[in-house]
Amino acid sequence: DGGITQSPKYLFRKEGQNVTLSCEQNLNHDAMYWYRQDPGQGLRLIYYSQIVNDFQKGDIAEGYSVSREKKESFPLTVTSAQKNPTAFYLCASSPAGFTEAFFGQGTRLTVV
Amino acid sequence: QKEVEQNSGPLSVPEGAIASLNCTYSDRVSQSFFWYRQYSGKSPELIMSIYSNGDKEDGRFTAQLNKASQYVSLLIRDSQPSDSATYLCAVPLPRSNDYKLSFGAGTTVTVRA
Repeated sequence: DGGITQSPKYLFRKEGQNVTLSCEQNLNHDAMYWYRQDPGQGLRLIYYSQIVNDFQKGDIAEGYSVSREKKESFPLTVTSAQKNPTAFYLCASSPAGFTEAFFGQGTRLTVV
Repeated sequence: QKEVEQNSGPLSVPEGAIASLNCTYSDRVSQSFFWYRQYSGKSPELIMSIYSNGDKEDGRFTAQLNKASQYVSLLIRDSQPSDSATYLCAVPLPRSNDYKLSFGAGTTVTVRA
């Protein structure tokens, strides 16, 4: 089945720890995105990538890091520098930057 | 000015009525526009894409685009309780070498039975 897989679905982190969220797609899409969603809010762009080994900061990149070593993978690391990391994290991909994007099921991160 | 703005909600409509959702965008060279539906606790799903000025219809959904006014709308005809969700407008904003896919804050629609 083609699609976008995010893992894990739920993640609990202690304060001060880094944590990495996985995003894998088998759609052969060039572009991939990470968004953060807080309760009752829209989607805020963290990072995006349109080709392998290149990525751009979005609107709220502070405290996050990414890599794009393979076309199908775009992991997001939430570092201890992110002051309020509890949120719903969504990964998306699209064939190209100006085309429709499709989302994974999301990872709900909670800091305990 | 926000890059993508949607009319504030929430929007409550009776079953069978038309729900009208609006979105404006800041970059006049944008070429593609998308509407997503998001149920509570779920990820967004694409429901409409529009690239040319005018109307595009798909079932009970109609997207309307006016590039001169930098405005895109979504009409939901014969609204059903299953249409109760948050609707997100998305616009790829051209940058020097790529596109930044930006979303509006969303409009929450409740269809009253």
